[in-house]
Amino acid sequence: DGGITQSPKYLFRKEGQNVTLSCEQNLNHDAMYWYRQDPGQGLRLIYYSQIVNDFQKGDIAEGYSVSREKKESFPLTVTSAQKNPTAFYLCASSMTGEAYNEQFFGPGTRLTVL
Amino acid sequence: GQNIDQPTEMTATEGAIVQINCTYQTSGFNGLFWYQQHAGEAPTFLSYNVLDGLEEKGRFSSFLSRSKGYSYLLLKELQMKDSASYLCAVMDSNYQLIWGAGTKLIIKP
Repeated sequence: DGGITQSPKYLFRKEGQNVTLSCEQNLNHDAMYWYRQDPGQGLRLIYYSQIVNDFQKGDIAEGYSVSREKKESFPLTVTSAQKNPTAFYLCASSMTGEAYNEQFFGPGTRLTVL
Repeated sequence: GQNIDQPTEMTATEGAIVQINCTYQTSGFNGLFWYQQHAGEAPTFLSYNVLDGLEEKGRFSSFLSRSKGYSYLLLKELQMKDSASYLCAVMDSNYQLIWGAGTKLIIKP
């Protein structure tokens, strides 16, 4: 079955620690995205990548980093510089990053920083 | 700035019809998407409109008026499983999705 996987589903970390969220897709999609979802707010774009070895900052990239070394993988690191990291993180992919392309979402990772 | 507005919460009765509105102001327009999201789960695609008019897909329909910056999602024959949040998103001139905060739909028996 094709799809997007994110792991883990729940993650707890102490304040000041970096943490990496995994996102893998086997849909052969070129574009991948990381969003953050907070209660009462729309999804906000953190980073996106339209092709391997290239990625762009979204609206709220500060305190986050990504890599895109393989087409199927787009891990997100939440660094200690992120002021309020507790949130629900969603990874998505689409066939390309241009024109109409439905985005498919992974199940999400709920990160809690204690 | 870019803005997507939708009601925070709506309540409807099982078997009835409900219309969820979305108004938008964005820099450019490359289509409007509706997604469904059950609590704690991933959003799933419902519909896409890029031209004015109504798109029907089973019990769900979506309407777009580009001149008014307005869309609605119409859900017919409501079922309890339709209790979820409904997210409106507009693709802007850079092909990025701008998301509304979502409308939480509560279905009562």
